[in-house]
Amino acid sequence: DVKVTQSSRYLVKRTGEKVFLECVQDMDHENMFWYRQDPGLGLRLIYFSYDVKMKEKGDIPEGYSVSREKKERFSLILESASTNQTSMYLCASSPQKQGLNSPLHFGNGTRLTVT
Amino acid sequence: AQSVTQLDSQVPVFEEAPVELRCNYSSSVSVYLFWYVQYPNQGLQLLLKYLSGSTLVKGINGFEAEFNKSQTSFHLRKPSVHISDTAEYFCAVSDNTGGFKTIFGAGTRLFVKA
Repeated sequence: DVKVTQSSRYLVKRTGEKVFLECVQDMDHENMFWYRQDPGLGLRLIYFSYDVKMKEKGDIPEGYSVSREKKERFSLILESASTNQTSMYLCASSPQKQGLNSPLHFGNGTRLTVT
Repeated sequence: AQSVTQLDSQVPVFEEAPVELRCNYSSSVSVYLFWYVQYPNQGLQLLLKYLSGSTLVKGINGFEAEFNKSQTSFHLRKPSVHISDTAEYFCAVSDNTGGFKTIFGAGTRLFVKA
């Protein structure tokens, strides 16, 4: 079974802090994604990566950056956290480089609260 | 551009009753369609997918969905629900127009009552 592990389940940070959310997958998947989930809005794509050191903007990249130095690890960075970034963050991976028909495998999520 | 509309934000239903969760999408090209389920405090897991071929797709836990190209719909159904089906359900679509990404609907919360 594919395992996608997010390092924290709950995180509380202060406004202006730099925040790192870490995600690791153990199935050698090429593609990795960061979504945020908000009630009534579903999942919105922040950034994705289909190869090491590659990144692509999703639909809501403002205020975020990402890093993919190793194939199994994809980090989401909030350079200066703001209260409107309080949300559930979900990491996902999928096999097959740029394969649109591959389902996503999700981690359990990190609930971030910015005060 | 792709979009996914889940027509019901919440669906309450009694145990052993049938249920249908509705999903409509917009895309002008061939699409791949997915339903995911999210149980409380967990990530999403795949219920079923339509890639091509038969328009009736069967998934895990007794769920099925039917792809209707003319109505651009992909509704999820189960003939008899259990308490354990209480969860949030997401419809998702990917195609080759908006770049390499999967777009999700806003979700439908299914609440099964005893």
